[in-house]
Amino acid sequence: EAEVAQSPRYKITEKSQAVAFWCDPISGHATLYWYRQILGQGPELLVQFQDESVVDDSQLPKDRFSAERLKGVDSTLKIQPAELGDSAMYLCASSLKRGGVNTEAFFGQGTRLTVV
Amino acid sequence: GEDVEQSLFLSVREGDSSVINCTYTDSSSTYLYWYKQEPGAGLQLLTYIFSNMDMKQDQRLTVLLNKKDKHLSLRIADTQTGDSAIYFCAVPSGGSYIPTFGRGTSLIVHP
Repeated sequence: EAEVAQSPRYKITEKSQAVAFWCDPISGHATLYWYRQILGQGPELLVQFQDESVVDDSQLPKDRFSAERLKGVDSTLKIQPAELGDSAMYLCASSLKRGGVNTEAFFGQGTRLTVV
Repeated sequence: GEDVEQSLFLSVREGDSSVINCTYTDSSSTYLYWYKQEPGAGLQLLTYIFSNMDMKQDQRLTVLLNKKDKHLSLRIADTQTGDSAIYFCAVPSGGSYIPTFGRGTSLIVHP
């Protein structure tokens, strides 16, 4: 069964260091999302891609976060420099677009980031 | 933006039915979703309902949608200990139909 792949599963980094997460969506899914989930809360959207283009990054803290999907397939989310408050689960999801509407989003297992 | 509300906790006895409720604000959604998250894992799509439907049944799961009141519920029949998890309601919103999540309801099933 096709899955969204994310790596690494866990990452511990010191504050002020740079950190990067990788996501490979389900093959053929044009829409890719990065969500951040703080412990005890629901996922919050950071950025949405349609193919290689950013559709919505209004909630992405652009002073320290960046995301790219250069060839419209896999994607990288980077944080530089990391802060203590960035500790969270970072979830990647993908979906098809059918008739102009995004269908159900399928999630990867996430990357658990701890900033110390 | 979209606002999705859920109660935080639900405790049930094994074998009983569980009902998890969700309210939302955006009425333009086409599909509405329920996801399940086990500890330390990603979100697993459980089921969904199209906005022109009132009810959808899928084995032990029943989804009810009241569009007038913007209320969505998930009923789990014969709840088992393996159903213990956090359940999220997700409502696509905006022109890009971005799934917006509630805070999640933590379902605790005890013997």
